[in-house]
Amino acid sequence: DSGVTQTPKHLITATGQRVTLRCSPRSGDLSVYWYQQSLDQGLQFLIQYYNGEERAKGNILERFSAQQFPDLHSELNLSSLELGDSALYFCASTPSGNYNEQFFGPGTRLTVL
Amino acid sequence: GQSLEQPSEVTAVEGAIVQINCTYQTSGFYGLSWYQQHDGGAPTFLSYNALDGLEETGRFSSFLSRSDSYGYLLLQELQMKDSASYFCAVRANTGGFKTIFGAGTRLFVKA
Repeated sequence: DSGVTQTPKHLITATGQRVTLRCSPRSGDLSVYWYQQSLDQGLQFLIQYYNGEERAKGNILERFSAQQFPDLHSELNLSSLELGDSALYFCASTPSGNYNEQFFGPGTRLTVL
Repeated sequence: GQSLEQPSEVTAVEGAIVQINCTYQTSGFYGLSWYQQHDGGAPTFLSYNALDGLEETGRFSSFLSRSDSYGYLLLQELQMKDSASYFCAVRANTGGFKTIFGAGTRLFVKA
């Protein structure tokens, strides 16, 4: 158990819908990262937040958005869902001063039908 | 942009040694990490190299050559439980610090 929690574990929805994925980092970690992992693929970096502010952006679609709240939990919002958005979405956190080791949550498996 | 290359699959025998190579291309390079991911599980951190040379952690070692943009993960005394996917990842400052992952190497350990 990494200490990072993600909800829900599974999510099944239809095309065109909107969903919100939630992540709570390890206690004390200020940085949160979001990744997308499609079937048998690597991890695609989406976005990073540090203490509520966006720090880095990867290949995140305009239909996707994220935020980090004052209590440091983060939400990833996916809208106008397409079949190709079906994937595992991981959240990770790192402790301040050591960004080299990311602690990953168990992931949310999103299925778009 | 950034790119990483690693073999898609490697097969080895229990008790043997296996090396998984990773070559990368990126600007603003800071370091190379390795992660292990079992089927259906979350990636877990194995090692990080910022400087040239070999880092050893138990049965696993990781090597980096910055001049060659190359690194490898060495797994010794292979066990069945080492069957998993292994990802190399570069940490780079490209419009903000990012960690970019390779596509992963699936390791099959046979009895």
